[in-house]
Amino acid sequence: QQQVKQSPQSLIVQKGGIPIINCAYENTAFDYFPWYQQFPGKGPALLIAIRPDVSEKKEGRFTISFNKSAKQFSLHIMDSQPGDSATYFCAAIQTTSGTYKYIFGTGTRLKVLA
Amino acid sequence: NAGVMQNPRHLVRRRGQEARLRCSPMKGHSHVYWYRQLPEEGLKFMVYLQKENIIDESGMPKERFSAEFPKEGPSILRIQQVVRGDSAAYFCASAQQGPQETQYFGPGTRLLVL
Repeated sequence: QQQVKQSPQSLIVQKGGIPIINCAYENTAFDYFPWYQQFPGKGPALLIAIRPDVSEKKEGRFTISFNKSAKQFSLHIMDSQPGDSATYFCAAIQTTSGTYKYIFGTGTRLKVLA
Repeated sequence: NAGVMQNPRHLVRRRGQEARLRCSPMKGHSHVYWYRQLPEEGLKFMVYLQKENIIDESGMPKERFSAEFPKEGPSILRIQQVVRGDSAAYFCASAQQGPQETQYFGPGTRLLVL
């Protein structure tokens, strides 16, 4: 119940394509869903995050779609660029007082071809 | 404003030795989180600390691992009597106020146990 399932494991798109990465969770107590971008040899960096009371959030070329009833959320990268090639992690967080759960997906390796 | 700093960046230990990993949070941040990342895997939460307090250590093995965040100085993750399975990247992240706040990750310490 504490897992966050992320797919696909790897993804290759052409420059300008729209890669989509999906995550699914089971614990309905999760209340915050961030996405992180990680380049080789670096720590993850927060990209964008969403709360379950919102169905979509856009920041620049990055969009999160959130489906509360299906317990799924996804990251879309518009007009993808070779510089977007990285590993992307979704996460689900339960922040209710007295508890703390911060679960990461297993990551998606994205390669954007020039 | 300097980011999260971790040292050493790389650490090599022989089985049975102790590993001591340090994390200096961003200025003004009093919440620190430690994560472990195995190759090709996502991040696994280990422990969440505030100054002088362990808030949640549910992700940390009960034996050989300990963490502290003293009033003065960096947070320390200590692994006693290391084994080969401890080889991983260890990341710390800091936040200003707590789980609902953005976590900023350090560059990680890559531990190799021979």
